[in-house]
Amino acid sequence: GAVVSQHPSRVICKSGTSVKIECRSLDFQATTMFWYRQFPKQSLMLMATSNEGSKATYEQGVEKDKFLINHASLTLSTLTVTSAHPEDSSFYICSARASHTEAFFGQGTRLTVV
Amino acid sequence: DAKTTQPPSMDCAEGRAANLPCNHSTISGNEYVYWYRQIHSQGPQYIIHGLKNNETNEMASLIITEDRKSSTLILPHATLRDTAVYYCIVRTRLESQAGTALIFGKGTTLSVSS
Repeated sequence: GAVVSQHPSRVICKSGTSVKIECRSLDFQATTMFWYRQFPKQSLMLMATSNEGSKATYEQGVEKDKFLINHASLTLSTLTVTSAHPEDSSFYICSARASHTEAFFGQGTRLTVV
Repeated sequence: DAKTTQPPSMDCAEGRAANLPCNHSTISGNEYVYWYRQIHSQGPQYIIHGLKNNETNEMASLIITEDRKSSTLILPHATLRDTAVYYCIVRTRLESQAGTALIFGKGTTLSVSS
């Protein structure tokens, strides 16, 4: 299957700082990318959907000013957690799809805010 | 309302077949059944999908009942590496083509032991 790479795989940051997570489609052009968050022992929760070149669509309850999503190219989307707090500690997962294909998932990023 | 119902957990002995059930009694005629799995601390991985016929690939087999109200994912010879959370998802072809996000339920935690 197609390869989606996330970086970093894990990150620790101080409370109040911002952290950026990258999601790249390595061997295909991703017209749509999705960002999920997963807390321990829970399922994946969709945060937002982004199409290349347009603003992301956020799910209800997800603060767009806190979770900044940029999808500037067909192979890269970034999620920036701004002014991170300990409750933002979670497993963040991206997925990417090309037109008329299924989505493929990155390996996830473990964020710990201390 | 959830479109699918899965048991929260199952156990399987290594080398034996793992049969994971999924109820989707309200499935409509144009909805497919998809299966994904998530190994601990990784992103989800596509396994298989089907409409009404049984399907088989190198990873698993999917058996869909004639009335399509339930299905079973079969891992013919489970290994320790198959320990994961397995998600059964129902979605239409239009949703797949339109690029809408996968919505995950709680899934079944499969534990394979030696």
